[in-house]
Amino acid sequence: GAGVSQSPSNKVTEKGKDVELRCDPISGHTALYWYRQRLGQGLEFLIYFQGNSAPDKSGLPSDRFSAERTGESVSTLTIQRTQQEDSAVYLCASSLEGSQGGKETQYFGPGTRLLVL
Amino acid sequence: GQNIDQPTEMTATEGAIVQINCTYQTSGFNGLFWYQQHAGEAPTFLSYNVLDGLEEKGRFSSFLSRSKGYSYLLLKELQMKDSASYLCAVRAGSYIPTFGRGTSLIVHP
Repeated sequence: GAGVSQSPSNKVTEKGKDVELRCDPISGHTALYWYRQRLGQGLEFLIYFQGNSAPDKSGLPSDRFSAERTGESVSTLTIQRTQQEDSAVYLCASSLEGSQGGKETQYFGPGTRLLVL
Repeated sequence: GQNIDQPTEMTATEGAIVQINCTYQTSGFNGLFWYQQHAGEAPTFLSYNVLDGLEEKGRFSSFLSRSKGYSYLLLKELQMKDSASYLCAVRAGSYIPTFGRGTSLIVHP
């Protein structure tokens, strides 16, 4: 596609329910990132996928959070037993090649706005 | 880890020039990014610096001093549409940029 897409755009759920967020990166981008952004805050790194390498999960805040990626395409972020503190915008970004560093611009999706009641 | 510091909020007048500073403390520096984020939208890439000096791109310029752990984003001929949050992000030793909290810029007539 033309850009990174995410779904759903908005999600309202009840405390304790599980939610699944989806990200479709730009075709050909091997690196994929998930970030969380609470209201008025900066971007908080969650998890990083690069090709077939083991994902970097160092940013996941608890074991309620998990993510998967199918090859170099779609990724899903799952939050189990949601809490009110999980309310935030979840942003996905992709880039051509992450492991080399350098000027690999991240292209962000529009985000999923999650509200846990 | 990295410690990235930006002012929380700045205001400026349409047509003026504004400089948004970013200071960081890190080891293994490997690039600094500036992103623009309008309210309710995703961040969009503005600039990238890895060597010392000034990078100019139209009305926007970004400066880096690695020895001082310092960068700034310079916006000239401000327009109302420049009202947004400006995020400084530092990549150090790995491939994952760490973002600052962002600077909310308000441009008024």
